[in-house]
Amino acid sequence: QKEVEQNSGPLSVPEGAIASLNCTYSDRGSQSFFWYRQYSGKSPELIMSIYSNGDKEDGRFTAQLNKASQYVSLLIRDSQPSDSATYLCAVNKRSGGGADGLTFGKGTHLIIQP
Amino acid sequence: NAGVTQTPKFRILKIGQSMTLQCTQDMNHNYMYWYRQDPGMGLKLIYYSVGAGITDKGEVPNGYNVSRSTTEDFPLRLELAAPSQTSVYFCASSFRYYEQYFGPGTRLTVT
Repeated sequence: QKEVEQNSGPLSVPEGAIASLNCTYSDRGSQSFFWYRQYSGKSPELIMSIYSNGDKEDGRFTAQLNKASQYVSLLIRDSQPSDSATYLCAVNKRSGGGADGLTFGKGTHLIIQP
Repeated sequence: NAGVTQTPKFRILKIGQSMTLQCTQDMNHNYMYWYRQDPGMGLKLIYYSVGAGITDKGEVPNGYNVSRSTTEDFPLRLELAAPSQTSVYFCASSFRYYEQYFGPGTRLTVT
């Protein structure tokens, strides 16, 4: 059973539009949720973290979390060609109170068309 | 701050050889992690550490070993390299359970 699921895309969005990326997770005990951006051949770069239900905004990015429905989303407003990348959703299970790593989805490939 | 640094950037190994991937962070983070990323796949956790002298297995630990003698360093050891270990390896660090920051990665090919 996949634990973190994302649509692999590619998701094509015109420049200036809103890009909407979605992610669902299976473990109801998940506590922390992250979005990473990864350019081809580069390492993941953290762009948003969210820990409680609702919306969190940072510049052109908005993360949305709904724990009851077990989904987290990322909105990118005024999309730019430089936003073209793979976006990874990651979840921290924090099982038993101990530390463990992030569980990643396979990523959504986003293409912003000029 | 340099953040998380990894060496080498690239390496080609022959089957059966061994090597150590180095990872250093200067953010005074207590938690450190090793992930591998295969093409078209998400990152998989190999090992993690919550502090000097404390390490634990992640999802895919077979064929790897780690040690954590200092807060800054978290080397990953590959013994008896196999083609299945061809991957990109990322080290990351965090302050407790919070945001993880990744190094630039090591691209390893085993032939």
